[in-house]
Amino acid sequence: GAVVSQHPSWVICKSGTSVKIECRSLDFQATTMFWYRQFPKQSLMLMATSNEGSKATYEQGVEKDKFLINHASLTLSTLTVTSAHPEDSSFYICSGWGLPEYEQYFGPGTRLTVT
Amino acid sequence: GQNIDQPTEMTATEGAIVQINCTYQTSGFNGLFWYQQHAGEAPTFLSYNVLDGLEEKGRFSSFLSRSKGYSYLLLKELQMKDSASYLCAVAPYGGATNKLIFGTGTLLAVQP
Repeated sequence: GAVVSQHPSWVICKSGTSVKIECRSLDFQATTMFWYRQFPKQSLMLMATSNEGSKATYEQGVEKDKFLINHASLTLSTLTVTSAHPEDSSFYICSGWGLPEYEQYFGPGTRLTVT
Repeated sequence: GQNIDQPTEMTATEGAIVQINCTYQTSGFNGLFWYQQHAGEAPTFLSYNVLDGLEEKGRFSSFLSRSKGYSYLLLKELQMKDSASYLCAVAPYGGATNKLIFGTGTLLAVQP
């Protein structure tokens, strides 16, 4: 199956700083990728749809100025958490549709802890 | 709005069969997915249903009834390693930009 990587796998940062998370599709091209957030013992919540070469589409309630998404190439999407606060501590997962197209492939996730 | 419901937790015995139900009400329907997720890891794909009926894949089967907005995941011959969260997700629309809406997830505990 298709492979999606994320970097870093975990990060600890201080409150007020910014953190960038990279999501790469290693063996397929993804014009669209998705960013999810998952709090402990909860399900995945879609944050935004990342579109190559255009602006991301954010879900209701997600601050676009706080969670900056850039999808500059067909294999790379980045999520930047700006001015991070402890409540942003979560598990961030990206995904993309690979082949066969009905299966969405997920990255291994990034554990963000804001102190 | 989009609404996908699953039981929060279930417990079953090793070697037994367990059925995890999922009901959905979404603005559109282009397929229903089941994923398995172990703690701290990314979800892994289990099954996909777009037509009514049962899809079988080894110890796992998934059923869909579009008219009832209902699906279930059936796990047979349970093993300890099956202890995980099981996520039901619906794709409301088609195409490569299609997003998945996830249900609340069901935490399954398999006991000896």
